[in-house]
Amino acid sequence: GQQVMQIPQYQHVQEGEDFTTYCNSSTTLSNIQWYKQRPGGHPVFLIQLVKSGEVKKQKRLTFQFGEAKKNSSLHITATQTTDVGTYFCAGPSGGFKTIFGAGTRLFVKA
Amino acid sequence: ETGVTQTPRHLVMGMTNKKSLKCEQHLGHNAMYWYKQSAKKPLELMFVYSLEERVENNSVPSRFSPECPNSSHLFLHLHTLQPEDSALYLCASSPSGSGGNTIYFGEGSWLTVV
Repeated sequence: GQQVMQIPQYQHVQEGEDFTTYCNSSTTLSNIQWYKQRPGGHPVFLIQLVKSGEVKKQKRLTFQFGEAKKNSSLHITATQTTDVGTYFCAGPSGGFKTIFGAGTRLFVKA
Repeated sequence: ETGVTQTPRHLVMGMTNKKSLKCEQHLGHNAMYWYKQSAKKPLELMFVYSLEERVENNSVPSRFSPECPNSSHLFLHLHTLQPEDSALYLCASSPSGSGGNTIYFGEGSWLTVV
C-alpha cells in the first residue's frame, strides 16, 4: 500500500542552527500538508502545497513540493526554542483517507 | 483554541470497563475522524465519518465502537480494552471527507488501560 516516509526521525540542533525534514511518498500526491505537534499537544495544520515545484514560506519556515509531487521538505532557518515539536507531512491516500508520515521530532538546545 | 473539543482529556480504565470518549466540532465540517497516536504508530487512522455515515474502518478491533449521531458529534465507545490500547486518541474534523483535506485535531484524550 501507499507509504509516506519521513526522515530523519529525530534531530537535535543548537538554537540558531537550521533544520530540514524530508517527506517521501511511494505514489504521486495531489497535495501535501504539514502539521506541527508541540510536546503534550495535538497536531496543528501548518500549510498545504498543491502545485508541482511549489515553494511557500511562513516567516522562518520554507516548504517545498517536489517536481514529481512525490516528495516534500520543510526547512526552518535559525531555529528557536519555540520550534520544538514533531513535524508531520500528510497526503491523500485514496477515498477518505489521509496518510501521515511518522514525523520528525525536533529538539532545540538553547 | 481548537474548534474540536474532546472529553475526557484523561481516562484510566480497567480491562473490563466500558467507557466512552466524546468529541464535538464547532467548525461546521462534514467529516469527523478518530485517530490513535502511540509511540509505535504515530498517527493511525481508525474511523472516518462523512455526513454521519461511516466511510472508513481501518481494520479496528470491535472493542472500539464509533458512533456519529450528527455531523457535530462523534463518540468512541470502549469495551474490554487491552493494556496495549493505551494511547492518545485524537478526534478530528475536516470540511469534507475527501483524502487530503485539511484536518483539524482536538486536544486528544489520553487513555490508560490497566
